Amino acid sequence: DQQVKQNSPSLSVQEGRISILNCDYTNSMFDYFLWYKKYPAEGPTFLISISSIKDKNEDGRFTVFLNKSAKHLSLHIVPSQPGDSAVYFCAASGAGGGSQGNLIFGKGTKLSVKP
Amino acid sequence: ETGVTQTPRHLVMGMTNKKSLKCEQHLGHNAMYWYKQSAKKPLELMFVYNFKEQTENNSVPSRFSPECPNSSHLFLHLHTLQPEDSALYLCASSQETGLEKLFFGSGTQLSVL
Repeated sequence: DQQVKQNSPSLSVQEGRISILNCDYTNSMFDYFLWYKKYPAEGPTFLISISSIKDKNEDGRFTVFLNKSAKHLSLHIVPSQPGDSAVYFCAASGAGGGSQGNLIFGKGTKLSVKP
Repeated sequence: ETGVTQTPRHLVMGMTNKKSLKCEQHLGHNAMYWYKQSAKKPLELMFVYNFKEQTENNSVPSRFSPECPNSSHLFLHLHTLQPEDSALYLCASSQETGLEKLFFGSGTQLSVL
């Protein structure tokens, strides 16, 4: 059974508006969460992360929110740009999530930002 | 030049062939990983190497054989694969295991006929 779930396989947003990508997890032992971004024909690249001791982390246009009680995190992109069009993967790790270095990934959400 | 380089980018092989995937990292990292991404599935960890020693084998079939001659190079030797092994194989590295920020290569898209 999937421990990290991205229930929306795709999302389409107008340029300049907010993009919100969601991720749910089932394992309460996860204590570190990451978002990766993947363009076609390239490997995933790290975008932003958050530790479970925080509920928000911001880096420029990207903000990740963590709701531990709901086992839910989200990535907000404001304002969205056409270059943000990519597949976004949520990943989690922690003492209960596997060995060190074993990130548990979601299936990804494909974001399309339309001009 | 990207930090993690994988070759070949694409590979088509028959079920009786033997081939190898190569990964090289230029980041001075000590840990290297093989991940598999099948269609409509999450990335799955296959192997972890830390300072050339294998520290994780995620129940991978023996038809996949990893080799890590040094901290900068990682190979995945393939033999008698099945069509269901067709997937994108991604190599990644990190400074050490336990530091979860991974740097990925572009992957090898493998098709087994």
